[in-house]
Order: sequence, then structure tokens, then C-alpha cells
Amino acid sequence: QKEVEQDPGPLSVPEGAIVSLNCTYSNSAFQYFMWYRQYSRKGPELLMYTYSSGNKEDGRFTAQVDKSSKYISLFIRDSQPSDSATYLCAMIPASGGSYIPTFGRGTSLIVHP
Amino acid sequence: ETGVTQSPTHLIKTRGQQVTLRCSSQSGHNTVSWYQQALGQGPQFIFQYYREEENGRGNFPPRFSGLQFPNYSSELNVNALELDDSALYLCASSSRAALDTEAFFGQGTRLTVV
Repeated sequence: QKEVEQDPGPLSVPEGAIVSLNCTYSNSAFQYFMWYRQYSRKGPELLMYTYSSGNKEDGRFTAQVDKSSKYISLFIRDSQPSDSATYLCAMIPASGGSYIPTFGRGTSLIVHP
Repeated sequence: ETGVTQSPTHLIKTRGQQVTLRCSSQSGHNTVSWYQQALGQGPQFIFQYYREEENGRGNFPPRFSGLQFPNYSSELNVNALELDDSALYLCASSSRAALDTEAFFGQGTRLTVV
């Protein structure tokens, strides 16, 4: 079992839909949780990160962390065709001297007009 | 666009050869991390350099090595290339010593080993 699991998709939705992207993890030491967007043939771009549990909102994007369930989510409201990309979750432990991020494999999102 | 640039963008090498990939970090950043991203997978951490010293290493063999220069640019060297080394190689720069929560990625170098 991988430390971070992420469904590769593809997830296809109509424009304007609410999108829910998720990751599960097994390492309880993870404290920092990040979401990246990666367009084809580009490097990942950080969308947002959260520390420990709770919600964080930035425009159309909301990140949620549920540490009790070891489950994180990214919601995209009013999705646009320009949101079509691969979304990667990443996590970092906050202790043990190791700050190596562990990435999920990414979920491919397609928003069609 | 981030200020992180990588060269070359694409590269084809033969098994057994050696390759050097380059990364210029964003202005003001003193930390560079390298990742390998195989097709359909997430980035895997190779190593990180902070102020010219290796500051952490992932599960990669010694034939993966690196350098960071006084201007904080960096190189990734891979010796004795194997077919499985074919991947997108990403570098990310940041201004913190260890926590990569706000790292900026370059566009990557696509390496194909034949």
C-alpha cells in the first residue's frame, strides 16, 4: 500500500460543476497538505496548502483535511474548461527531521464546455 | 510563469550513457529540490540542496548525483542510464531550508532513454 493514494481518473465534468478531488494517506505524521495543478507538459503549480486539520478557501478552491480519517479533499466551484489539468496532492511530516514531500499520482480532470 | 528554468526541455539518451540536467532557481531562493516524475505518476523526491550542501535524499541510487552552485543554480547528473530512468525531471526552488510547502517548479526536462 502506498503512503498516499489518489484515484488517477480521468474525472470528466460539465462546465460549472462542483468538482471534488480526494486523497487518502496512511502516515499519521503528515501535517502539511498541499494541492498542485499540473497542465500537460508543464511543472506542478502550487494551488494551496493547509497545516493539520481544517478547511482553507481561496477563490473557487477549498481544501479540507480530516486527519481522523486520513482523508483530504480539494473542491473546485464553478469549474471552467481552463481547470482541465492533473491535480496532485502532496504531504509533508512535521517531525523527525524529514521534510520530504510525498505526492499522490495525480487525478486527471477534464471540464468540458 | 515561475522564475525557475530548466534545460534542456527534451533529451534522448542511450542506455549506459550519462546525462546532466540544469536548473536555474527563482531569484532570492537558496534551496533547490529535484524530482523524477514517471508517466502517470506523481513526482518522486530525488534530493535537495541548500546553500550548496545536500539537505536530504530520497530512495534513489548513488548514480543520481547533484550540485548546487554559489548562485544557487543546480545540476542533476545521472550515470549509467537505464530504460526506467525515462521520465520528466523537475526541479523546484524555495526560500526555506527544508519545508517545500511553497516551492516553485520549473517546466521540467523530458528524458527518454533508448
